[in-house]
Amino acid sequence: DADVTQTPRNRITKTGKRIMLECSQTKGHDRMYWYRQDPGLGLRLIYYSFDVKDINKGEISDGYSVSRQAQAKFSLSLESAIPNQTALYFCATSDRQGATDTQYFGPGTRLTVL
Amino acid sequence: AQSVSQHNHHVILSEAASLELGCNYSYGGTVNLFWYVQYPGQHLQLLLKYFSGDPLVKGIKGFEAEFIKSKFSFNLRKPSVQWSDTAEYFCAMIGGSQGNLIFGKGTKLSVKP
Repeated sequence: DADVTQTPRNRITKTGKRIMLECSQTKGHDRMYWYRQDPGLGLRLIYYSFDVKDINKGEISDGYSVSRQAQAKFSLSLESAIPNQTALYFCATSDRQGATDTQYFGPGTRLTVL
Repeated sequence: AQSVSQHNHHVILSEAASLELGCNYSYGGTVNLFWYVQYPGQHLQLLLKYFSGDPLVKGIKGFEAEFIKSKFSFNLRKPSVQWSDTAEYFCAMIGGSQGNLIFGKGTKLSVKP
């Protein structure tokens, strides 16, 4: 379970502030993902990265940006946070096996934007 | 468009009752299917997965799921639930060879002791 870590675990911020959520993994996986979870909506993909030089938008990328600093690190930024970005954010990783990927999730970051 | 539907938003059972959670997907090609569980306050954990072969897949903690291609379904089952099974369950799919994981909206299971 400690293979995928997220910092911070909880964050309360104000509208308009810039926020960075960080994800690190020791699994040696090439692929990393950022999701947000909202009650009743399941998990929705924000961004994903198949390797250090590959960044792709997911279903709901507006208002977010990412940086893949290294194979093991993938950060999610909210340039100017707004209240409807209040959610639980999960990072995940998977190995390079195409459609047979199993994704492994971090513990989540609970973000509240006031 | 690819999508996953979970029929029940919240299921309440007594201990020892049998469980079946519905999951249907929308995609015309080859799919890979997953069930994840999220215990209260915790992250998602993989329960089981189907890639190919035997359509009846057994996972951890006594869970199993059956892939029925003709019905586009991948229902999760457990013969006898325990209080510790209280959690939220997510069905997910990858359609095609390079697709991303698409989640259903989840089903909350509450097991009464």
